[in-house]
Order: sequence, then C-alpha cells, then structure tokens
Amino acid sequence: EAGVAQSPRYKIIEKRQSVAFWCNPISGHATLYWYQQILGQGPKLLIQFQNNGVVDDSQLPKDRFSAERLKGVDSTLKIQPAKLEDSAVYLCASSLAVFQRNMNTEAFFGQGTRLTVV
Amino acid sequence: AQTVTQSQPEMSVQEAETVTLSCTYDTSESDYYLFWYKQPPSRQMILVIRQEAYKQQNATENRFSVNFQKAAKSFSLKISDSQLGDAAMYFCAYRSAQGGSEKLVFGKGTKLTVNP
Repeated sequence: EAGVAQSPRYKIIEKRQSVAFWCNPISGHATLYWYQQILGQGPKLLIQFQNNGVVDDSQLPKDRFSAERLKGVDSTLKIQPAKLEDSAVYLCASSLAVFQRNMNTEAFFGQGTRLTVV
Repeated sequence: AQTVTQSQPEMSVQEAETVTLSCTYDTSESDYYLFWYKQPPSRQMILVIRQEAYKQQNATENRFSVNFQKAAKSFSLKISDSQLGDAAMYFCAYRSAQGGSEKLVFGKGTKLTVNP
C-alpha cells in the first residue's frame, strides 16, 4: 500500500516569497491533515479536511497561509508571503476517520517538507 | 483545550535494556485516545502504540507497552530489550473520541538515544 506522498522534500526561500507544498494521501482516506513542526516542538495542526471540506482551521494563520483539497484527494498548502518564523517541517497526514463516536482510526504521516526561510 | 506534556527532552538507554518515557495530559473529556508516535531522523512519523481511554487494560505491542493511569492523566511508554533501531524522537499524542475534530494534540517529544 502506498503511503502519504509529499513534495518537495526540501525548500529554501527568501522571506516575503511564496511557496507551495503538495500532498497525496493514502487512497480512500477521507481525512487529511496539515501539521507544522517547528524545530524542538511537537507537530501543531494547521488545517484538517474531511473530503474537500474544512473541519478545523482554527490555528491556520489565514493572512498568509491557505490550503485547498480539490476533489477530496490531493491537497496543497501555500504560504504567501513567507516569514522567517515559518521555517519548519510541514507534515501531511491522512486517515479513514469519520465522525462516529469511538471510531478509532490511525493517522498515517508523510515524510514532510522541510522549509527554510532566509 | 487539551494539552500534552513530555517532561523528558532527552533519554538514553543501553542496548537490550529497558527505558520508560513519560507523558502527562490534561483534558476534561472522558472519551479519548492516546498514542505514542516514533519519528526517526529524516523519516516519517509512525504509530507505535495506542490506548483507548475506556479500556482499563494497558496496551502492548511486542516490546512496547504503556502504563495508562486515567485518574492521574499519565501515559508512559516502556520499551523493553531496546534496539539500536529504537533511536528516534518519541511523541505522545491525544485525540478526542468525540466527533467534530479528530486532530492529534502532540507533546514536545523525547529524543531517545540507544547506546551499543
């Protein structure tokens, strides 16, 4: 079974530039997550999709970050313009999660995109 | 809001020995799941073990086991017979069992070094 695919693996940009990350979840997974992992910290949820609808984007800095999941499959995360503090690893994850009480499903993670803003 | 605390930034263990990683969490919910994830250097995060809060029995997966103390809101991971391949960052995570948002809330992680 293919895992969660992310690209690019690494990206270096200057501050105020734009950048986009791509994620292809595991086939059939309805839920897709984007996490930001700053060095020395645990991952923090940026946005969660259920199919192509947004479930939770409460921690997404909407003035500069945007995300979309067209047709409920692939997703892109964009930063425009980037700041130095956006340097982090951006993780994509997917799961079969549905809104059923006590439905326990595992989240599978991609290898992440390491972004360096200089 | 739920929080997860890992008080040990780094731990080390000798190969073949046993090590315990600590995790505490804070929540007002009664139904939830707890997880330990492993993140090797430059590799993807993988699930090590999970625990349903409504189950009193501690989860076990081969050399990995947990000590789940619901009243104390504690969830430690024990790794027995440590191997060199166990070296990684370990993250404790919480997820609500209530519908609406199934996000994982992570701790800051514990870096485990395994010495030969």
